[in-house]
Amino acid sequence: DSGVTQTPKHLITATGQRVTLRCSPRSGDLSVYWYQQSLDQGLQFLIHYYNGEERAKGNILERFSAQQFPDLHSELNLSSLELGDSALYFCASSGRGLAGITDTQYFGPGTRLTVL
Amino acid sequence: AQTVTQSQPEMSVQEAETVTLSCTYDTSENNYYLFWYKQPPSRQMILVIRQEAYKQQNATENRFSVNFQKAAKSFSLKISDSQLGDTAMYFCALETSGSRLTFGEGTQLTVNP
Repeated sequence: DSGVTQTPKHLITATGQRVTLRCSPRSGDLSVYWYQQSLDQGLQFLIHYYNGEERAKGNILERFSAQQFPDLHSELNLSSLELGDSALYFCASSGRGLAGITDTQYFGPGTRLTVL
Repeated sequence: AQTVTQSQPEMSVQEAETVTLSCTYDTSENNYYLFWYKQPPSRQMILVIRQEAYKQQNATENRFSVNFQKAAKSFSLKISDSQLGDTAMYFCALETSGSRLTFGEGTQLTVNP
């Protein structure tokens, strides 16, 4: 158990809908990262938050957004869902994530999203 | 931009034997970190081992060790005394500046009894 929790574990929805994925980082970790794992594109970085502020963006679609709350949990919002958004979405947390300082990222169990 | 390449999509090994997984990477940064993560059938991403680029000594964690060749930008993972529970997808990953991980395509390792 990494200490990172994600809910829900599975999500099945229809095209055009909107969903919210939730992540709670390990106790004391200030950084939260979101990754998408799909069959055709592998593991891809989406976005990084540090202590409530967005730090870096990767290949995140405009239909996707995220935020980190004062209690440090994070939510990833996916809207206008398409079939191609079906994937495993991981959240990871680390202690720092400041520029030039690296700390190991620990992953949650993931949320499997299926868009029908 | 950073890239990570794993050229072995699949590998297999007999239980108790040793296997080496290959990884090459490219980055223009001087300070970076390399990781191996495993993803068993449960799909959980589990850290196996970590290597700081500024350290010359290769990292080891029990049966897992790395061969870090900085000049060649190579970072291989050696698993000794392979166990059935080592069966998983293994991902090599690169991190710079305390931010995103860049992953390779993964190597599916099967340990046969």
